[in-house]
Amino acid sequence: GENVEQHPSTLSVQEGDSAVIKCTYSDSASNYFPWYKQELGKGPQLIIDIRSNVGEKKDQRIAVTLNKTAKHFSLHITETQPEDSAVYFCARGGGSNYKLTFGKGTLLTVNP
Amino acid sequence: DTEVTQTPKHLVMGMTNKKSLKCEQHMGHRAMYWYKQKAKKPPELMFVYSYEKLSINESVPSRFSPECPNSSLLNLHLHALQPEDSALYLCASSQEPPAAGGTGELFFGEGSRLTVL
Repeated sequence: GENVEQHPSTLSVQEGDSAVIKCTYSDSASNYFPWYKQELGKGPQLIIDIRSNVGEKKDQRIAVTLNKTAKHFSLHITETQPEDSAVYFCARGGGSNYKLTFGKGTLLTVNP
Repeated sequence: DTEVTQTPKHLVMGMTNKKSLKCEQHMGHRAMYWYKQKAKKPPELMFVYSYEKLSINESVPSRFSPECPNSSLLNLHLHALQPEDSALYLCASSQEPPAAGGTGELFFGEGSRLTVL
């Protein structure tokens, strides 16, 4: 199927440290992997995405890596700041399914 | 303008009421979506409109009735809801409709938080 497993479910780091969230998927035809940040009381916001023809993508303090062979992708946030505190959702798309399949989310807390 | 705007932000209704949620985007996107999100859960797809036509209904109960008056507007009409329907309802849009083999970037609105008493 198109399940997405996301770990950890909660993550607490000190300001300035790095945070890593990992997702695995099962559908080998998946070709699109976005990450969404959802702050309390707001809608999800796309922060970075990667397609299957690329192994890594970086945007300032945020990077995503994709290992198609192992079917996993990860979000890396460096130099974390309190405003990075939010719920982060990974997702996958493509293949025989028309819709995005979301992971269960990771609550990231950055302590000042 | 890269926003998806939803109104109202909060809605409280009784089980016998009729209400509507509204969504608007001016990015020229050809697909619009309704998602339902319960607390501490990921968004769940409800409906997809492609080129103003309903293309996907994820077996949603008929007490939820979507409408797409034009390419910029999406409504969700609510009637005879149950308390378990209380949730955050998210509207989203994408440049092109979803299709097997490819998915594009989704832009979400801030959501309408619905409480059914």
